[in-house]
Amino acid sequence: EVQLVESGGGLIQPGGSLRLSCAASGFSVSNNYMSWVRQAPGKGLKWVSVIYSGGSTYYADSVKGRFTISRDNSKNTLYLQMNSLRAEDTAVYYCAREVTVGRTGYYFDYWGQGILVTVSS
Amino acid sequence: SYELTQPPSVSVSPGQTASITCSGDELGDKYAFWYQQKPGQSPVLVIYQDKKRPAGIPERFSGSNSGNTATLTIGGTQAMDEADYYCQAWDSSTGVVFGGGTKLTVL
Repeated sequence: EVQLVESGGGLIQPGGSLRLSCAASGFSVSNNYMSWVRQAPGKGLKWVSVIYSGGSTYYADSVKGRFTISRDNSKNTLYLQMNSLRAEDTAVYYCAREVTVGRTGYYFDYWGQGILVTVSS
Repeated sequence: SYELTQPPSVSVSPGQTASITCSGDELGDKYAFWYQQKPGQSPVLVIYQDKKRPAGIPERFSGSNSGNTATLTIGGTQAMDEADYYCQAWDSSTGVVFGGGTKLTVL
């Protein structure tokens, strides 16, 4: 059974750092595209970052230069290092397995339960 | 950047058909995907590649995509279908894009 479990969220002051973890089971993180998607309170879904099976990484403009996605294959875990946090980064963060359909289709078939990050003084 | 537009809300009576639209420039040339999200829960994929249903998704959920509009249709809507629905596509310049979401109310 595929399962994704996020951890590491919480309350952090503006300018601070936080690292989210997403422990995967039932499949290999290293063989899949893995993404982070966030949802601000009462708002819609926003893609944040992806790491491809080959190791390439991509980021939304809003987090580029501040967030870093990575994985530990031995622990089958995905990470999101978040630095220089801002109030607008407050959201529930989901890790999700990304599926590719040829070169023009990317979607998410499994999602974690989400973890809340609150950036406030 | 590429954008997807959804109506903020749609209402439907139990047993009737609900249609939720998602508009984007030449969206029909891309694949559309749909997610259902109930309060306090993670999103769940209900339609992929325009019209395919994942295992476990009821047959009353269907999808189409043509021109500039993708549509999620729920036939014989049930109270359990009340949720937020998000469309999603991928654009070569923008990457993964979500619509703003539609709150489906079953009256």
